[in-house]
Amino acid sequence: DTEVTQTPKHLVMGMTNKKSLKCEQHMGHRAMYWYKQKAKKPPELMFVYSYEKLSINESVPSRFSPECPNSSLLNLHLHALQPEDSALYLCASSTGTGYRTDTQYFGPGTRLTVL
Amino acid sequence: AQKVTQAQTEISVVEKEDVTLDCVYETRDTTYYLFWYKQPPSGELVFLIRRNSFDEQNEISGRYSWNFQKSTSSFNFTITASQVVDSAVYFCALSDQERDDKIIFGKGTRLHILP
Repeated sequence: DTEVTQTPKHLVMGMTNKKSLKCEQHMGHRAMYWYKQKAKKPPELMFVYSYEKLSINESVPSRFSPECPNSSLLNLHLHALQPEDSALYLCASSTGTGYRTDTQYFGPGTRLTVL
Repeated sequence: AQKVTQAQTEISVVEKEDVTLDCVYETRDTTYYLFWYKQPPSGELVFLIRRNSFDEQNEISGRYSWNFQKSTSSFNFTITASQVVDSAVYFCALSDQERDDKIIFGKGTRLHILP
């Protein structure tokens, strides 16, 4: 089973709201990722967690705050977003072996609209 | 510098035609990995293939086939007897030479299969 689930599917929020995106996998993967994808562009890496520790932060603004409560769950907390943050947010996971590039398996994404 | 080039921004073919999507990459690594992903309109990135740089055999999976040519740094993807369900954006990706938990995406090729 190569399933990564994400909730919610769609989210509309105002610039003063606080919301969270959730991602879950039960494949025993130890690396999890957040990507942001704008229309007609490839996914852009935001954060990587490896063994529940933040290993990459691609200079993402602090209004995006990731959290990895355990090896199966990854959250992205959103606060004071701007309209330009509207995008598809994709979560992915991989085995995280640490010595080669493993396949990343993606979830269905959350379509975020910031008003 | 590393780079993945998908020169075809958009392709339209009539159903049942064969179509080839091009991918050219640049890397200094001697060991690297190449990937293809499919992104249908629903948004989820679907993994298609992962190829090790030492394995130059062509791969076939049903109507899909991949041609890896190390001499020309290309990893092209062919769909035989295309179907409307093949309509999607296809991304080619390359493992990052600095980190094994990053992949570099090409800009994608939008494929339209016309009935």
